Amino acid sequence: GEDVEQSLFLSVREGDSSVINCTYTDSSSTYLYWYKQEPGAGLQLLTYIFSNMDMKQDQRLTVLLNKKDKHLSLRIADTQTGDSAIYFCAESIGGGSQGNLIFGKGTKLSVKP
Amino acid sequence: GAVVSQHPSWVICKSGTSVKIECRSLDFQATTMFWYRQFPKQSLMLMATSNEGSKATYEQGVEKDKFLINHASLTLSTLTVTSAHPEDSSFYICSAAGTSVGTDTQYFGPGTRLTVL
Repeated sequence: GEDVEQSLFLSVREGDSSVINCTYTDSSSTYLYWYKQEPGAGLQLLTYIFSNMDMKQDQRLTVLLNKKDKHLSLRIADTQTGDSAIYFCAESIGGGSQGNLIFGKGTKLSVKP
Repeated sequence: GAVVSQHPSWVICKSGTSVKIECRSLDFQATTMFWYRQFPKQSLMLMATSNEGSKATYEQGVEKDKFLINHASLTLSTLTVTSAHPEDSSFYICSAAGTSVGTDTQYFGPGTRLTVL
């Protein structure tokens, strides 16, 4: 079945770059997403990438997609303490907004001052 | 645009009672709504998908008689947890999709924390 894997923890110093990695198994995924969840809150969509793209940049966020290796990464430049949260990678099975989302277990990012 | 709300934000109930959670799309018509469940420090698991005016499609292992889903209008879906028990305590999150807000992504509500005593 479909599976999305992420490392569980990442710790960085304020001002450094953070790179969160994710692997997925379903090669038919059309969209891949990154969500941020702060304690006790819902999901905030950070960015997403369509499967025919290799890279997408949005301000401090850079998403890289290696479709051959089914590897997705999120790079946060100049990481701030406010970036501390859990980051979920998700793939859409069935296409875009109408597809089922398969989530990874989330990577807890801790930013030290 | 594309705001989704949930009500209540949190609820505590006694074992055996039923609890209704509402999910509303505030500024768009949601042809499809999704219900997810998240256990502490776990990922989100899709429970069911509902299209307006149709019966919900439940994921394997989710009891449809236990988790009643109604999507009677294009802006409202409800999840009723019937005869709740402590093991139903969880964070329930809905999401909504509609063609007027694009077809790339679903929009998530803030979640409802259910605690069953």
